[in-house]
Amino acid sequence: QVTLKESGPVLVKPTETLTLTCTVSGFSLSNARMGVSWIRRSPGKALEWLAHIFSNDEKSYSTSLKSRLTISKDTSKSQVVLTMTNMDPVDTATYYCARIRVASGIYYFDYWGQGTLVTVSS
Amino acid sequence: SYELTQPPSVSVSPGQTASITCSGDKLGDKYACWYQQKPGQSPVLVISQDTKRPSGIPERFSGSNSGNTATLTISGTQAIDEADYYCQAWDSSTYVVFGGGTKLTVL
Repeated sequence: QVTLKESGPVLVKPTETLTLTCTVSGFSLSNARMGVSWIRRSPGKALEWLAHIFSNDEKSYSTSLKSRLTISKDTSKSQVVLTMTNMDPVDTATYYCARIRVASGIYYFDYWGQGTLVTVSS
Repeated sequence: SYELTQPPSVSVSPGQTASITCSGDKLGDKYACWYQQKPGQSPVLVISQDTKRPSGIPERFSGSNSGNTATLTISGTQAIDEADYYCQAWDSSTYVVFGGGTKLTVL
């Protein structure tokens, strides 16, 4: 059974750094055809992709947020960590991690975590 | 950067067919997928690789993708299908792209 679970602070102050952890089970972060992404949805807005990481440590970031994001993984702990610096109230959102399935030209999210709501406020 | 455009809202009567479009430059040359998100819940994959329905997704959900438009079709729409729907594709320069989402209302 594949599961992903996000954890992290529910409240951060403006300018602080957010650190979120995604703990996965039911699959390995060393699987070549899978990866993990972070995605968020701000209130009243659409889903927004943030970053992904694959078994070979290949990483990619949203072009608009690249300067603020860092993604990493600890395969032995089955965890993927996302850090976002210089948090602002507009970053208030539910943050999801999701498993990626990839093949030639194919990329989709087949399992999602329950999401964690992060509020940015002083 | 690559963009996907969806209508903000679609309304359908129970039992009728709902069609939600997703437009992007030469989208038919890429693979499109669709997610359903109900209030307070995580997104659920309903269509992958243009037309594939994951296990557990009802047969009334189908997808197509050609030219510049991908379409999610829900046949015999039920009240439980009321949700936000998002298309998504992969682009080599923008990486992961989501559409702006469509709110499906079943009247």
